[in-house]
Amino acid sequence: DAMVIQNPRYQVTQFGKPVTLSCSQTLNHNVMYWYQQKSSQAPKLLFHYYDKDFNNEADTPDNFQSRRPNTSFCFLDIRSPGLGDAAMYLCATSRDWGGQYEQYFGPGTRLTVT
Amino acid sequence: GQQVMQIPQYQHVQEGEDFTTYCNSSTTLSNIQWYKQRPGGHPVFLIQLVKSGEVKKQKRLTFQFGEAKKNSSLHITATQTTDVGTYFCHTGTASKLTFGTGTRLQVTL
Repeated sequence: DAMVIQNPRYQVTQFGKPVTLSCSQTLNHNVMYWYQQKSSQAPKLLFHYYDKDFNNEADTPDNFQSRRPNTSFCFLDIRSPGLGDAAMYLCATSRDWGGQYEQYFGPGTRLTVT
Repeated sequence: GQQVMQIPQYQHVQEGEDFTTYCNSSTTLSNIQWYKQRPGGHPVFLIQLVKSGEVKKQKRLTFQFGEAKKNSSLHITATQTTDVGTYFCHTGTASKLTFGTGTRLQVTL
């Protein structure tokens, strides 16, 4: 059974047109993460939620926002996508915050910006 | 800030050869995790090491945490085509989580 689900798997958007990616989890984990991964690079953490508390990474552009309306769902909003935002976006969860907690990743959403 | 480098960046081996990737940190680590990402896939947790000098094995995979807790290695004995992918180490502090730069493994027959 899928534990971390991401929709859609592929998203094409136009330059400057807002786009929302979604993630849901059945693990009841406290922490949900959003990562950006470009080709041949490591996943780059954009932000995470610990329960309802939002934590932004210092170098995440303001263009990226997130919402977590409940434990199960988390959304990534890109307000004005640029060509440089084309990437794989990975959602992950963990039971608690910290490097000692295993992260469970969703299959990712591949974003194309035209 | 904390930097976690992996070497090599890429390795191509013949099936049956051994493979090792190294993860090196500029600071002492409380723990290290290893993830595998298949081509087109997402990272999947493999293992976690916590103790200085710790060695753990999973079938053909051997994971080691350095005595000074600043480095770690993943060794695969007799690689198979199913080992293809990118291997990332991952660690964190109370305020920051960091993936290593990754090592991409290619295995050919």
